[in-house]
Amino acid sequence: GAVVSQHPSWVICKSGTSVKIECRSLDFQATTMFWYRQFPKQSLMLMATSNEGSKATYEQGVEKDKFLINHASLTLSTLTVTSAHPEDSSFYICSAPRGGGNLDEQYFGPGTRLTVT
Amino acid sequence: GENVEQHPSTLSVQEGDSAVIKCTYSDSASNYFPWYKQELGKRPQLIIDIRSNVGEKKDQRIAVTLNKTAKHFSLHITETQPEDSAVYFCAASLRKLTFGTGTRLTIIP
Repeated sequence: GAVVSQHPSWVICKSGTSVKIECRSLDFQATTMFWYRQFPKQSLMLMATSNEGSKATYEQGVEKDKFLINHASLTLSTLTVTSAHPEDSSFYICSAPRGGGNLDEQYFGPGTRLTVT
Repeated sequence: GENVEQHPSTLSVQEGDSAVIKCTYSDSASNYFPWYKQELGKRPQLIIDIRSNVGEKKDQRIAVTLNKTAKHFSLHITETQPEDSAVYFCAASLRKLTFGTGTRLTIIP
């Protein structure tokens, strides 16, 4: 089946620095990808919808200048957490639709655990 | 926007018994309802899903029922096994997924 990968799987950074997370669809093209954030023992919260060739759509309450999303190709979306702070420590997961015009059914990446010290 | 509530938050059942998790949603336009199993530190895994034109779907020990009028749907796991222990999330979707708050299921051997 289709596979979505993320890199890195985990990262530790210092407060004030920026971190980039990559999400790749390995054997299919994805014009749309989704980014989620999951705090410990909580649910997945959609942060933004990444659109190839156009601006990302952010959910209410998500700072677009802090969480920069770039969907540079049909197989790659990146999320950059700028000026990271300890409260940004979380599990970040991307997903891509299975295709066929159906955005509901998602392949999830393995997630990236970010720890900001 | 869509709001999904999930109950219970924790559930313990004896091995071999059945487990039921329930969700309600707010947006009557939602038309896709997946259930995910997530183990600690891992990605969510789709275990079963149902679309709004179907009332029930079954896959071996797992079944999902949907009541569109009442806007609720449920996950049923029969003959539970220790490997069923995990956190389960429901979701409702109209082009994007809104997740429930999760249920930690523990199967007692």
